[in-house]
Amino acid sequence: AQTVTQSQPEMSVQEAETVTLSCTYDTSENNYYLFWYKQPPSRQMILVIRQEAYKQQNATENRFSVNFQKAAKSFSLKISDSQLGDTAMYFCAFMWYGDDKIIFGKGTRLHILP
Amino acid sequence: DAGITQSPRYKITETGRQVTLMCHQTWSHSYMFWYRQDLGHGLRLIYYSAAADITDKGEVPDGYVVSRSKTENFPLTLESATRSQTSVYFCASSLTGNGDEQYFGPGTRLTVT
Repeated sequence: AQTVTQSQPEMSVQEAETVTLSCTYDTSENNYYLFWYKQPPSRQMILVIRQEAYKQQNATENRFSVNFQKAAKSFSLKISDSQLGDTAMYFCAFMWYGDDKIIFGKGTRLHILP
Repeated sequence: DAGITQSPRYKITETGRQVTLMCHQTWSHSYMFWYRQDLGHGLRLIYYSAAADITDKGEVPDGYVVSRSKTENFPLTLESATRSQTSVYFCASSLTGNGDEQYFGPGTRLTVT
């Protein structure tokens, strides 16, 4: 069975600091997609960043970047210059290439402290 | 407004009752999904649909029924609600399945007493 593991249930950092959320996954496939979704207190799920496994370059979106280590099956999310609005639950997710379904990790609750 | 909407946003029902959660999207996305979110479990897929009249089971389909007679609607029915179905339910859609971003509705908080 495919698994996505987020080992940090909860984290807190000071505003303006950099924080890294970890995610590991298990697959024997070579082609797949990885995602980070954000769920703020409003409950609305929002895509933060998307990575295609065949691409070597790490995806970035403004202050959000990933460290994709394919051999290690690791997909961590780095948030630079963290802001109060980054307070949310963050979900790492996996999708096989050619499949329709996303498999979510259990989430990391991130608190940005003023 | 365009987007994906869910109704109701909150629902309290009694054990054994039938309840239907509605999901509507205005993008003409082919794929639609139903998830439930519970503490300690993240999001788990209940059912999904690749197109009108095509549905398939996800990870936790037992006790749920779906239909998709129109592309824009994907209702989820709990035929006989149980307390274990107390959860937050999210509907999502994507243009195609393969690698596409899923867009989520605002969620429905369902309490079964």
